[in-house]
This record gives sequence, structure tokens and C-alpha cells, in this order.
Amino acid sequence: DTAVSQTPKYLVTQMGNDKSIKCEQNLGHDTMYWYKQDSKKFLKIMFSYNNKELIINETVPNRFSPKSPDKAHLNLHINSLELGDSAVYFCASSQWGTGLAFFGQGTRLTVV
Amino acid sequence: RKEVEQDPGPFNVPEGATVAFNCTYSNSASQSFFWYRQDCRKEPKLLMSVYSSGNEDGRFTAQLNRASQYISLLIRDSKLSDSATYLCVVTHPNSGYALNFGKGTSLLVTP
Repeated sequence: DTAVSQTPKYLVTQMGNDKSIKCEQNLGHDTMYWYKQDSKKFLKIMFSYNNKELIINETVPNRFSPKSPDKAHLNLHINSLELGDSAVYFCASSQWGTGLAFFGQGTRLTVV
Repeated sequence: RKEVEQDPGPFNVPEGATVAFNCTYSNSASQSFFWYRQDCRKEPKLLMSVYSSGNEDGRFTAQLNRASQYISLLIRDSKLSDSATYLCVVTHPNSGYALNFGKGTSLLVTP
């Protein structure tokens, strides 16, 4: 049983397209995150949701829109993709305040 | 200045060696501290939490010095399978307890 699963694992798309990445966790956690890992391998928080409520919205272009239909799901929709959006996007979940996070396998997004 | 700073390495050590990684953090309100491990092209995974009293998990020992805002990780008797990137992580209430990662320290253990 995969604790945090995200799909797709790989995504290759053209500039200007709109794409979504889905994430689901079966750990019963109340907090979910999206992280971006760029080519320099730095992991940076993008969004954090606690009990479906947006807690953190870092300096991310508004082309990125997260959606949390319930506590177990946090999806990421990206409009008008740009070359600079190419990165690995990780979904994660934890129980609020613990810092003990479990990560999905990542989605490797390549914009051409 | 980055919130969490680490020496990126790489650290190349022979099997059986002892290696130490250091990390500093800038926000004195940071509340929780961790080491995560990331293998090449994989997701980060929790290695261990870090406490002021120090804690040990087998060959791994972590230490926190709140006064100096400094975190360390010691790996004894290195194994080939320890080769990975080690990520220093802090959380604080002001950022909703999100994990703030350092850039990571790369370790390569050689035969």
C-alpha cells in the first residue's frame, strides 16, 4: 500500500499547455504539501493545506492553483506552462505540527 | 541568506569511515529539527528527528545546539548503502510547520 501516491510520474508537455498533478495519501494525515525541486536539487515549499484549508502560499505564480477536495487529496493545476516550470514536484503529507512528513515519488515535469 | 545552510559536499569516504555533517539555521523560533535522506531520483525520506539531548539510531547520531542554531549528523562505520544526499530540515510555527530544507549534503561511500 503506497502511503502517498502522486500521478503522473512523468509529464512531458509543450509550453502554453495546462496540466494537473494528482496526489492522494492514505495515512490519515491532516496536512498536505506541494514542494518543487529544481535542477539545483533545492526543495522549496509551494503550498500547504491543513484540513483542506490553505495555510501557506509561497511566492508562486498564480498559474499554479492547488485544490484540496478532501483531507486525503491535494491536486496541483498549472496553467500556461513555461520552460522554467520544468522540475520535480513532490507531494507530501504529515500530521499538523509534527514535521514527520511522507513524500510521494515525485512528478518529473518537462516543458518543451 | 538561506534559512537552512549546509555544506553541499560532496563527501567521498571509504567504507567503514566516520563522517559528520553540519547544518545551521537562521530562525531562532524554529521548533523541530530533522535529517531527511534523498537517494538519486527518489523522494526524501525521514532519517531521524533531532533533539537537544542528542539522539542515536544505530550508526547514526544527531545533535542539536539551540544556542548556536546548529545541527549535526554523525554516521559511523559507513556503508555503501549510506550514499545519498542528507537534508537538514527545520520547521517553525510561522510557516505553518512546513519543512524548510537545506540544499543537502552529498555523501558517496566507496569500496
